[in-house]
Amino acid sequence: GESVGLHLPTLSVQEGDNSIINCAYSNSASDYFIWYKQESGKGPQFIIDIRSNMDKRQGQRVTVLLNKTVKHLSLQIAATQPGDSAVYFCAEIPPPSNTGKLIFGQGTTLQVKP
Amino acid sequence: GAGVSQSPSNKVTEKGKDVELRCDPISGHTALYWYRQSLGQGLEFLIYFQGNSAPDKSGLPSDRFSAERTGGSVSTLTIQRTQQEDSAVYLCASSPRVGVRGLYTFGSGTRLTVV
Repeated sequence: GESVGLHLPTLSVQEGDNSIINCAYSNSASDYFIWYKQESGKGPQFIIDIRSNMDKRQGQRVTVLLNKTVKHLSLQIAATQPGDSAVYFCAEIPPPSNTGKLIFGQGTTLQVKP
Repeated sequence: GAGVSQSPSNKVTEKGKDVELRCDPISGHTALYWYRQSLGQGLEFLIYFQGNSAPDKSGLPSDRFSAERTGGSVSTLTIQRTQQEDSAVYLCASSPRVGVRGLYTFGSGTRLTVV
């Protein structure tokens, strides 16, 4: 079946370093991808999205890269801060994309060491 | 309201009992989604509602699960004859309309524990 998976369950980084969280997706026809951040006891929060016709998109301190050749997605966080500690999920919207249904990966826990 | 509100925030129930989980979406949002998040897992789609259209129930795991949305606003997810494998966090999200990318707002979820 369709799945979106994350390579590493936990990532530990030093405060101030850059973080890279990876994700593999299986449906080559998916045309929209989203990264979410989930803090303990809260629902997922939108971080950044990217359409399949793009390779890179930048936000504030975050960059998403999409490699359609190998069906790989990554989230880069610059100058990681303690407040970035959370679980990060990638999600895709497979066709038909007008349903808005998201397929989520299992999540990567980001731990920021002071 | 300002955000998506879910109640209760925590629910402990005995195996075999029925439970109802409530979701109040953001006012004016016509699309409403239910997801389930098992421990250490990603979110699993359950059902979505869009306006007055028939809901997409394709993600409901069994006929013990049902959901309704009254008046295009509040939604209730009902689990009958709960089983231990139903233990999870149930998350609701709303969106201005189906397919509006990135504009989902999630609630904080209901943590269901079946003992």
